[in-house]
Amino acid sequence: EAQVTQNPRYLITVTGKKLTVTCSQNMNHEYMSWYRQDPGLGLRQIYYSMNVEVTDKGDVPEGYKVSRKEKRNFPLILESPSPNQTSLYFCASSRTPSGSWGEGVYNEQFFGPGTRLTVL
Amino acid sequence: EDKVVQSPLSLVVHEGDTVTLNCSYEVTNFRSLLWYKQEKKAPTFLFMLTSSGIEKKSGRLSSILDKKELFSILNITATQTGDSAIYLCAVIPGYSTLTFGKGTMLLVSP
Repeated sequence: EAQVTQNPRYLITVTGKKLTVTCSQNMNHEYMSWYRQDPGLGLRQIYYSMNVEVTDKGDVPEGYKVSRKEKRNFPLILESPSPNQTSLYFCASSRTPSGSWGEGVYNEQFFGPGTRLTVL
Repeated sequence: EDKVVQSPLSLVVHEGDTVTLNCSYEVTNFRSLLWYKQEKKAPTFLFMLTSSGIEKKSGRLSSILDKKELFSILNITATQTGDSAIYLCAVIPGYSTLTFGKGTMLLVSP
C-alpha cells in the first residue's frame, strides 16, 4: 500500500531534550516536506526537500533541522525542543515531474497521519 | 508577505444545504491555488486551479478561480454529514513554499 508513515504518532517530552520524528514514504517520491499545524494559524511549512541531499527552508524553520540521506526518509529533528513547538506535525511527499514541478508536486502530495507533539 | 485568507472560519449547516467557502490571496508570482479537505488528521487533495474562470468539478464539489479579483470559491451542493471537515486553501507563490490559509471548519448537521 502506498503510504507516508510517521513515528511516533504521539509524543510528550520536556524542554531541551533532543528528539527526532521520522517520516518514510514507499512511493519513490523525490519531494518531501514537513508542516506544522496550530489552531488559528493553519498549516505552515517547516522544511522541504527536492531530492536526496537537497533541502530548503519553509516558512517556519527556526528550531528545526532536517536531513535527506535517503530518498524514502526525511526525519525532522528538534535539537532543543521548547513549549512553542508543541503542535501537530505532518510529513508529506510527492513525485517531482519534469517541467513545471511546483504544480505537479502539490497536486499529488500525500500526507502522513500526523504526529502530535507536546513539549512541557 | 504572502497571505491567504479563508472565510468564514467556521459554519454549521443542515444536511442538503449548499455551502460556499471563500479563499482570497495576496502573493507574489502566483502559480496555482489548491483546495484540501482535512478530516480527523491528514489533509487530502481536492482541486488545483491555475486558470481563471475554469470550473473544476468532482461530484457535489466544485471550485473556480478569479485571478483578477484574487480569490477562489469552493462550492458543496446537497451537503452530507460526511462533508464535515476543515477545508484548507493553499497557494503556490512562484517556486517557493506552499502557503496555507487557516481553514474553514464545516459542520453538517443531520
